[in-house]
Amino acid sequence: AQSVTQLDSHVSVSEGTPVLLRCNYSSSYSPSLFWYVQHPNKGLQLLLKYTSAATLVKGINGFEAEFKKSETSFHLTKPSAHMSDAAEYFCVVSDVVTGNQFYFGTGTSLTVIP
Amino acid sequence: GAGVSQTPSNKVTEKGKYVELRCDPISGHTALYWYRQSLGQGPEFLIYFQGTGAADDSGLPNDRFFAVRPEGSVSTLKIQRTERGDSAVYLCASSLRGLVSNEQFFGPGTRLTVL
Repeated sequence: AQSVTQLDSHVSVSEGTPVLLRCNYSSSYSPSLFWYVQHPNKGLQLLLKYTSAATLVKGINGFEAEFKKSETSFHLTKPSAHMSDAAEYFCVVSDVVTGNQFYFGTGTSLTVIP
Repeated sequence: GAGVSQTPSNKVTEKGKYVELRCDPISGHTALYWYRQSLGQGPEFLIYFQGTGAADDSGLPNDRFFAVRPEGSVSTLKIQRTERGDSAVYLCASSLRGLVSNEQFFGPGTRLTVL
C-alpha cells in the first residue's frame, strides 16, 4: 500500500537559517514524489517533483529535495528561510499501482521567526 | 493563463440538504480529480476522471457522493442528504494527461459547512 509519513507536524526556524521538512514514503513500485505548499487561503502549489530522473530535485523559491530509495525518504530542504516561506507543506506520492491518485501526508506547518 | 477554478468558495447548508460543487479545470487538461481536506489533515482522494468517464471512484465515502463530467471539462460533485461529517474543504485538481508523473494543478477549494 502507498503511504506518506511527514515526521513533524510543526517546524519552527529563524529567518535566514536552514529548513528541513522530513518525509518518508512507502510504495510498491517506482514512485513519483512531490512537495506542495499551501499558503493560508491559497490553493496548493507545486514546489518540486521527482519522477525517476535525477535524485536531487530543485524546485521553486530555493527549495530542493533528495530522493533516497534506500531510506525511502524525500526530505525537503532550503538553505535559508524567508518570512514568506511560512506555510503548510505536503509531501505526496503516486505510482502505477495507485493509478493517478495522489497520496498526501498530513502536512508540516512551517513557522519562520523574524 | 487561467488556473483551476471552483465555485462556490464557501457553502453553508443544513443537515439533510443537497449540495453541488463545481470545478472548472485548466483548458485542455483531460484528467480531473476531486479531493477532500478535513481540518488539520492532508487532502484525501475522492474520484478521478479521464475525459468524461470516472476512471477511479474508489475514494467516494458512500453512495451519497456522486460526481459527473458530462462534456469532459467542467465537473460537478454532488452530495445528497448532507451530514455534519461532510464539512470539509473540497479540492479539485486537473492534469494534462493524468499520467502518474504529471503535476496536478489545484483549485482554491470549496469550504463546505454542514450545520
